[in-house]
Amino acid sequence: EIVLTQSPDFQSVTPKEKVTITCRASQSIGSSLHWYQQKPDQSPKLLIKYASQSFSGVPSRFSGSGSGTDFTLTINSLEAEDAATYYCHQSSSLPSFGQGTKLEIK
Amino acid sequence: EVQLVESGGGLVQPGRSLRLSCTASGFTFGDYAMSWVRQAPGKGLEWVGFIRSKAYGGTTEYAASVKGRFTISRDDSKSIAYLQMNSLKTEDTAVYYCTRGGIVGATNDYWGQGTLVTVSS
Repeated sequence: EIVLTQSPDFQSVTPKEKVTITCRASQSIGSSLHWYQQKPDQSPKLLIKYASQSFSGVPSRFSGSGSGTDFTLTINSLEAEDAATYYCHQSSSLPSFGQGTKLEIK
Repeated sequence: EVQLVESGGGLVQPGRSLRLSCTASGFTFGDYAMSWVRQAPGKGLEWVGFIRSKAYGGTTEYAASVKGRFTISRDDSKSIAYLQMNSLKTEDTAVYYCTRGGIVGATNDYWGQGTLVTVSS
């Protein structure tokens, strides 16, 4: 089983700030890493697929990078609507999710 | 527009069974694998299982926590995926999401709104 560890678990940030969330895999997963955003009382939505490919309709301030075991989700110029919990997910083998990173807007 | 609508959730006693349905529209259902992901109250996402498309054998895989108790099936003629849950435990209490894709090598690109399953006596 591949374990994904996200950091931080929680972050409080101000609008227009740049945010970086990391996801580390317990073994190499190539580029089979995806990022989702879940707002309160909503279902998750795909943001980034295969480490760095933006999903259709996702604002350009969201970007992803990394390969192997270390991955990063970056949000440039944070907006109030970005308050949410962010999850990484690997599909290199039987799927698993990171524990989530909750982003609070000050 | 891709839409996934789950149904069938509710309150059930431990040890009993429940079947969830996921009705899809807006895409050629038979061409895609389908997955189930759950989220316990206040907790993170947990993969439950997936079913491949018929082109890839229609085979299934399950998380260890549900293997032997849960079964995923599909009816391509109706564009519906099912999650049959047997021998339910209190720890199965969660919102259950249906997703498109989600197999090895693929992402979960669209999600339903979820249906709540509460296992309690």
